[in-house]
Amino acid sequence: ILNVEQSPQSLHVQEGDSTNFTCSFPSSNFYALHWYRWETAKSPEALFVMTLNGDEKKKGRISATLNTKEGYSYLYIKGSQPEDSATYLCASNFGNEKLTFGTGTRLTIIP
Amino acid sequence: DAGITQSPRHKVTETGTPVTLRCHQTENHRYMYWYRQDPGHGLRLIHYSYGVKDTDKGEVSDGYSVSRSKTEDFLLTLESATSSQTSVYFCAISADFNYGYTFGSGTRLTVV
Repeated sequence: ILNVEQSPQSLHVQEGDSTNFTCSFPSSNFYALHWYRWETAKSPEALFVMTLNGDEKKKGRISATLNTKEGYSYLYIKGSQPEDSATYLCASNFGNEKLTFGTGTRLTIIP
Repeated sequence: DAGITQSPRHKVTETGTPVTLRCHQTENHRYMYWYRQDPGHGLRLIHYSYGVKDTDKGEVSDGYSVSRSKTEDFLLTLESATSSQTSVYFCAISADFNYGYTFGSGTRLTVV
């Protein structure tokens, strides 16, 4: 089983501060890396899908980078707001049709 | 979520009974997936479909079967429910396997 690891498991950040967290994955047979945002009592929502080494994606205050050679991706949130509180999932499909998810980073923004 | 619905939203069933969960999409997407969510494990793939009548197993497929007789519907069946299958079940769809997934609202299943 190929594992996708996320760190930290949880994070508390003061409102207005910026933060980032990590997704690690096996670099062999890499095909795509997904990031999802999952609010409590809702369903996961896709943020980014990245496929190329060096990819950078941005959506408002959230951005992500990808390093396929060393097997990691970073998610950055600039100027955290209370509505950013959620669990952030990453996932990879290692060249096949099955997406393997990490267990997520739970982010809590402190007003 | 727009374009994908799961039913039922909640179900309580007894050990040993069969249960079927339904996922319905209106997006005409090729791929459909069933995941279960459990504390400490995140989302784990049960089965997926890459077309009508085309399905394959995920990492936790034991005790589950699926069927896809038409593009819009993907059924997950627990042949004989066990307490270990108490979980929240999510269906997801995607146009291609390197596109972002759209998830349904989830089905909370309790096996007593």
